[in-house]
Amino acid sequence: DAKTTQPPSMDCAEGRAANLPCNHSTISGNEYVYWYRQIHSQGPQYIIHGLKNNETNEMASLIITEDRKSSTLILPHATLRDTAVYYCIVRYPLRTGANNLFFGTGTRLTVIP
Amino acid sequence: EAGVTQFPSHSVIEKGQTVTLRCDPISGHDNLYWYRRVMGKEIKFLLHFVKESKQDESGMPNNRFLAERTGGTYSTLKVQPAELEDSGVYFCASSRGLAGGYYEQYFGPGTRLTVT
Repeated sequence: DAKTTQPPSMDCAEGRAANLPCNHSTISGNEYVYWYRQIHSQGPQYIIHGLKNNETNEMASLIITEDRKSSTLILPHATLRDTAVYYCIVRYPLRTGANNLFFGTGTRLTVIP
Repeated sequence: EAGVTQFPSHSVIEKGQTVTLRCDPISGHDNLYWYRRVMGKEIKFLLHFVKESKQDESGMPNNRFLAERTGGTYSTLKVQPAELEDSGVYFCASSRGLAGGYYEQYFGPGTRLTVT
């Protein structure tokens, strides 16, 4: 699975959009970009994933650049409950055997009142 | 539907003792994973069950750790004997589908293990 690079921390004002970047310059053609987050004292939570098209669900939007070397997770209206560590994970969607997730250090997002 | 549950939520044991952690996955999920985060480190994969079979146990740190999933339902992770460096939070996750396809993993709240 390709390596990802994320800033260690970010702040965002409550009610504003939070834009979390992720670099994955060694991503291969069949690898997807997944985002998970971990709110303090809870287990990681799936947010969204995508291959090359932008994706949106009830939690967030995922923007993937045309060359797929980077992506941005967007929380459109951040709330205090969105304060968490966000993990960008690149992996193959279909693979016999290892389907575990590789968590890096992630980005600690702090939503400020 | 009920989420992934883990028991106990906290466990404090002395070095050399044995501890057994339990995970109940979401009903119908064939895939069950164990992860852990030790102090100050990243979340690391331990092993993966498909039903009752161990699909991948490449992340198990040593033979003091034993995971089982009898009957393909709940799983237990036993640490015997526990060492100080085993302290951390142990997460269980489950996902639907058989090996060969990745599906969203649902995580439990974790068990915080403290070895003194």
